[in-house]
Amino acid sequence: AQTVTQSQPEMSVQEAETVTLSCTYDTSESNYYLFWYKQPPSRQMILVIRQEAYKQQNATENRFSVNFQKAAKSFSLKISDSQLGDTAMYFCAFMNTGNQFYFGTGTSLTVIP
Amino acid sequence: DTAVSQTPKYLVTQMGNDKSIKCEQNLGHDTMYWYKQDSKKFLKIMFSYNNKELIINETVPNRFSPKSPDKAHLNLHINSLELGDSAVYFCASSHHARLNTGELFFGEGSRLTVL
Repeated sequence: AQTVTQSQPEMSVQEAETVTLSCTYDTSESNYYLFWYKQPPSRQMILVIRQEAYKQQNATENRFSVNFQKAAKSFSLKISDSQLGDTAMYFCAFMNTGNQFYFGTGTSLTVIP
Repeated sequence: DTAVSQTPKYLVTQMGNDKSIKCEQNLGHDTMYWYKQDSKKFLKIMFSYNNKELIINETVPNRFSPKSPDKAHLNLHINSLELGDSAVYFCASSHHARLNTGELFFGEGSRLTVL
């Protein structure tokens, strides 16, 4: 069975600073997808970034980037130049080839002005 | 246009009542899901439908019944509501794995409060 672990229930960062959210997962599959989703207070779940396991290059979306370590089964999210609008719950998620999604327990990020 | 829409957004009801939450997607996806998010923000898969067939049914009580009249709709009906059913319920959709770019599209959630 696949599991996704986020070991940081809460984090805070000063505006304009950089923060890294950690995520580890467990799977016996070789091909899969990994995601970070953001849930602001508005409750809407928003895709932040996506990584395909067979791609070695780390995904990047503007201020958001990942550090994907396949052998270590680690998938951390780095947010650069943090903005107040980044305040949200962040969920790490895993999708296997059977289209089944598994979510971590979330990290609540607060950006401090 | 809203890609995944669910109604109602908020629902307050008494214990023992029966209620439904509707979900529609206009993305042409063939897989739809229902997730439950509890007060601790844990997201748990409840159901998944692919081309109107149930392909995941996690261990949820049989008071919960998904109904999919067509592949663009997946409604959630809940009988005999209990206090523990209070949560936010999210509908989501995606392409089947073969076509999947690997993204879930979520609705805005429906907050159910059982009194």
